[in-house]
Amino acid sequence: KNQVEQSPQSLIILEGKNCTLQCNYTVSPFSNLRWYKQDTGRGPVSLTIMTFSENTKSNGRYTATLDADTKQSSLHITASQLSDSASYICVVSEGREYGNKLVFGAGTILRVKS
Amino acid sequence: DGGITQSPKYLFRKEGQNVTLSCEQNLNHDAMYWYRQDPGQGLRLIYYSQIVNDFQKGDIAEGYSVSREKKESFPLTVTSAQKNPTAFYLCASSQTSGSFDEQYFGPGTRLTVT
Repeated sequence: KNQVEQSPQSLIILEGKNCTLQCNYTVSPFSNLRWYKQDTGRGPVSLTIMTFSENTKSNGRYTATLDADTKQSSLHITASQLSDSASYICVVSEGREYGNKLVFGAGTILRVKS
Repeated sequence: DGGITQSPKYLFRKEGQNVTLSCEQNLNHDAMYWYRQDPGQGLRLIYYSQIVNDFQKGDIAEGYSVSREKKESFPLTVTSAQKNPTAFYLCASSQTSGSFDEQYFGPGTRLTVT
């Protein structure tokens, strides 16, 4: 069964600190992996998208890594800000000839405290 | 102001009543999607449409219906047959339904059925 597992479930850090969120997946065939940020009560917003051949991709203070061999990804947030408080969702796109099937993780809820 | 709009933001209904959630996009995207989000779970696909006048069931289509009469509109009806309709509903669209196409999400509608 295609699954995306994220850890930790929730995380509290102090403003200015770094943190790393984890994502393990069993989706096959694999097409690409995305990280989304979802503020409470809002729709998810894309942070990064990585294909099989990409090991790392950055978007400002967000850096995503991908190890396609071990089927693991991480999202590293540098110098956290209060506005980083949100749910971070790992999404894997299942490779299909037609259509685009996304498998969503349950998300990691991050709270940044001052 | 381009993007995806969903209305209303909050919706309350009595059990046994059908309710229709609105989703409109002005991005000129061909593909549109409806997802359901429950606490502690990943987003689950209800229905998707790759082109006008065509739509396909997702993973949890039972108790839901959709129509796609116009490119910019993809309304979702939650029927009385849906056993547990209280949830956060998200609409999304993408240029096409290809594996690498970015999905853009609307702000969501929170439906509460009592």
